[in-house]
Amino acid sequence: DAGVIQSPRHEVTEMGQEVTLRCKPISGHNSLFWYRQTMMRGLELLIYFNNNVPIDDSGMPEDRFSAKMPNASFSTLKIQPSEPRDSAVYFCASSFMGQGPYGYTFGSGTRLTVV
Amino acid sequence: AQTVTQSQPEMSVQEAETVTLSCTYDTSESNYYLFWYKQPPSRQMILVIRQEAYKQQNATENRFSVNFQKAAKSFSLKISDSQLGDTAMYFCAFMTAGNQFYFGTGTSLTVIP
Repeated sequence: DAGVIQSPRHEVTEMGQEVTLRCKPISGHNSLFWYRQTMMRGLELLIYFNNNVPIDDSGMPEDRFSAKMPNASFSTLKIQPSEPRDSAVYFCASSFMGQGPYGYTFGSGTRLTVV
Repeated sequence: AQTVTQSQPEMSVQEAETVTLSCTYDTSESNYYLFWYKQPPSRQMILVIRQEAYKQQNATENRFSVNFQKAAKSFSLKISDSQLGDTAMYFCAFMTAGNQFYFGTGTSLTVIP
């Protein structure tokens, strides 16, 4: 298994532009999580899905952020319009609900820089 | 509310020596899991060790072991025979029954040759 796959690995964009981050979870996993990592706030959970349904999006910072999971093998995190303070590393993780922490796997992250 | 506190932003250790990283947490849940993750410069989050709260025995993984004190809500990581490859950020984390992670702010560990 290739693990959780995130793309792109790096993204540099100008303020005001739309940014889309992508995640492919591990096959068979039915829970997917998006995290943001910054120096100031550390790792924060933004949103998570169970069986493609968003369960808790209370960590999403504001309406400029949206996440979708159209099927079990793909999720996106979109920022529109982007701002310099959105610069961070965004991680996706997946797991199988019911197995607790076993098999919980992080992707390699996308480093976003908004200039 | 669930919180995880790592009070040591930076630490260093001589190669081959032992170092202990501290972590405390707060939760009202009775069933949970605790973790230590390593994040090297590659930024990959690598699971170091995991402890189920219902287990009294401290978890060990080769050179890595934990001291889990449930009543004190303390979960420290001991690295024995430190190696240069252990240089990384280390995050203590707590997982609820709902699979939600809460992370500490991290400890930057440097192993000195």
